[in-house]
Amino acid sequence: AQKVTQAQTEISVVEKEDVTLDCVYETRDTTYYLFWYKQPPSGELVFLIRRNSFDEQNEISGRYSWNFQKSTSSFNFTITASQVVDSAVYFCALSSYNFGNEKLTFGTGTRLTIIP
Amino acid sequence: DAGVTQSPTHLIKTRGQQVTLRCSPKSGHDTVSWYQQALGQGPQFIFQYYEEEERQRGNFPDRFSGHQFPNYSSELNVNALLLGDSALYLCASSFTSGKNIQYFGAGTRLSVL
Repeated sequence: AQKVTQAQTEISVVEKEDVTLDCVYETRDTTYYLFWYKQPPSGELVFLIRRNSFDEQNEISGRYSWNFQKSTSSFNFTITASQVVDSAVYFCALSSYNFGNEKLTFGTGTRLTIIP
Repeated sequence: DAGVTQSPTHLIKTRGQQVTLRCSPKSGHDTVSWYQQALGQGPQFIFQYYEEEERQRGNFPDRFSGHQFPNYSSELNVNALLLGDSALYLCASSFTSGKNIQYFGAGTRLSVL
């Protein structure tokens, strides 16, 4: 069975501070995908990133960066110089790499509030 | 390019009734997945449709059923509604060879009274 744990329920930071959202996962699959989605108040889940389990290279996209560590089953997400528009609920998710077994297993989310 | 569209936006039903939710996938996508998101929780996978057939199913009772049409659009049907079915229902679409990047619609908010 797959499981995703986001231990941080809510985080509040002052604008321009850096913030890291934690994600820990469990899976028996040897190859899998990891994802981060953002859910603003409108409700739509916005795709941010997908990583393959066999590619542990960290990634940076603008103010966003992701740290994937297979040894600790973690896939953490850092926002640098946070902005009010970053306020949302962020979900980490996991899926199998296998065709036909593509359901996403989500964590319970972290509500991020950026204080102006 | 239109994204994933869902209708209706909001719906109010009473216990025991039946409901149908609709989803149009993103252009070029052939796979549709449905998720249920209770308040304060992460989305839970209901099922996925590909080539008009249910390919994978989560832990939901048979009251939840679906359909995919030749144009790849999809419906989610829920029979004998319970209070606990109140949730945001999210549709996601993806392309079979797109390495499982699922794009979500804004959802249908179902309230069961």
